[in-house]
Amino acid sequence: EPEVTQTPSHQVTQMGQEVILRCVPISNHLYFYWYRQILGQKVEFLVSFYNNEISEKSEIFDDQFSVERPDGSNFTLKIRSTKLEDSAMYFCASSEALAGVGELFFGEGSRLTVL
Amino acid sequence: DQQVKQNSPSLSVQEGRISILNCDYTNSMFDYFLWYKKYPAEGPTFLISISSIKDKNEDGRFTVFLNKSAKHLSLHIVPSQPGDSAVYFCAATTNTNAGKSTFGDGTTLTVKP
Repeated sequence: EPEVTQTPSHQVTQMGQEVILRCVPISNHLYFYWYRQILGQKVEFLVSFYNNEISEKSEIFDDQFSVERPDGSNFTLKIRSTKLEDSAMYFCASSEALAGVGELFFGEGSRLTVL
Repeated sequence: DQQVKQNSPSLSVQEGRISILNCDYTNSMFDYFLWYKKYPAEGPTFLISISSIKDKNEDGRFTVFLNKSAKHLSLHIVPSQPGDSAVYFCAATTNTNAGKSTFGDGTTLTVKP
């Protein structure tokens, strides 16, 4: 069964460092998303991406965050200068259609720990 | 502002009985609702969805009910199985803002053998 894969599974970084989280969405999906879940809190939307541009972003997704689809398979989330409060599980997701009419397929997540 | 709320952080049921998980929302613009299941150290997995034009959707042991006037939906699992033990998230989205799902806090379901 096709699945969304994410790397790394866990990254530990120092505050102020840049981090890139990588995702390989399901191959025929056109819509890509990043969500995060801070420990003990709800899953929160960060950004959606379609046709090589951001289609929607939340207030969490500030100038420190960026997304990119550098080739035909990868979808990355970059945090330019990490803060302690960026520590969370980051989930990549993809869907065939806009999430209003189709479900999201999530990866297993990348745990980011900022020290 | 919690637009999607799951008031019960946990629920425990006996194997074979019905599990009912509840979700309330405040944003009347939401028109599509989804339930996801999440095991520890895994991403959420889609379970079932319902459009606001319906009041019920059934898929095997899972049924979702939507009461638009009350802004309430529920997920029924019957019969419950120990493998159903997980965190269940309710999520909502809008067609005009498709791509952004708002999740509830989750309810941890434990099904006892």
